[in-house]
Amino acid sequence: DGGITQSPKYLFRKEGQNVTLSCEQNLNHDAMYWYRQDPGQGLRLIYYSQIVNDFQKGDIAEGYSVSREKKESFPLTVTSAQKNPTAFYLCASSIFLSVYSNQPQHFGDGTRLSIL
Amino acid sequence: GENVEQHPSTLSVQEGDSAVIKCTYSDSASNYFPWYKQELGKRPQLIIDIRSNVGEKKDQRIAVTLNKTAKHFSLHITETQPEDSAVYFCAAVKGGGADGLTFGKGTHLIIQP
Repeated sequence: DGGITQSPKYLFRKEGQNVTLSCEQNLNHDAMYWYRQDPGQGLRLIYYSQIVNDFQKGDIAEGYSVSREKKESFPLTVTSAQKNPTAFYLCASSIFLSVYSNQPQHFGDGTRLSIL
Repeated sequence: GENVEQHPSTLSVQEGDSAVIKCTYSDSASNYFPWYKQELGKRPQLIIDIRSNVGEKKDQRIAVTLNKTAKHFSLHITETQPEDSAVYFCAAVKGGGADGLTFGKGTHLIIQP
């Protein structure tokens, strides 16, 4: 979706280095998500945020950190504690209507992270 | 937590035939089930979704069915075309609001000319 922008498209990390992946949306969506996709695998949830200044761990949060200081931005930091960071990282967002109804998540174009 | 199983991992069909992809989920509290299509190197795109209060939903050549008792849901594509070739993912989520999705591992659909 044109409203979700991920950058950079490709990123290389050296051993012991932290790197930050950017995700910005102009859809006025309340919720934002980070997923990791490995070759031939489905997407796995890293972190998600339903409102500004609040976020929750997903299934594979170890070695990652996030912040949600603005509604439109949800950056993901891959820390040196993440020993196998090579993957395709996808950011998504959705609106929030009520606690009784999940809404569709729409994805950005992704960032491909590799280890040097 | 939720676990989603998806079958088959690869499906090859003749152009014009139908394709069916099946998923099962483990958490009976799950209530929203989207399907995504992903072309090589591209973002996943939502193609259809269904909620737990509905048994079937159609959109042109695509349909999704849900059996809450058996905890499984299926994607049906009729009159398949070459542009349907892609990887398809099912997903499930429980609760409400804006929780993260649990995805299946994907089905590589190949449309043979």
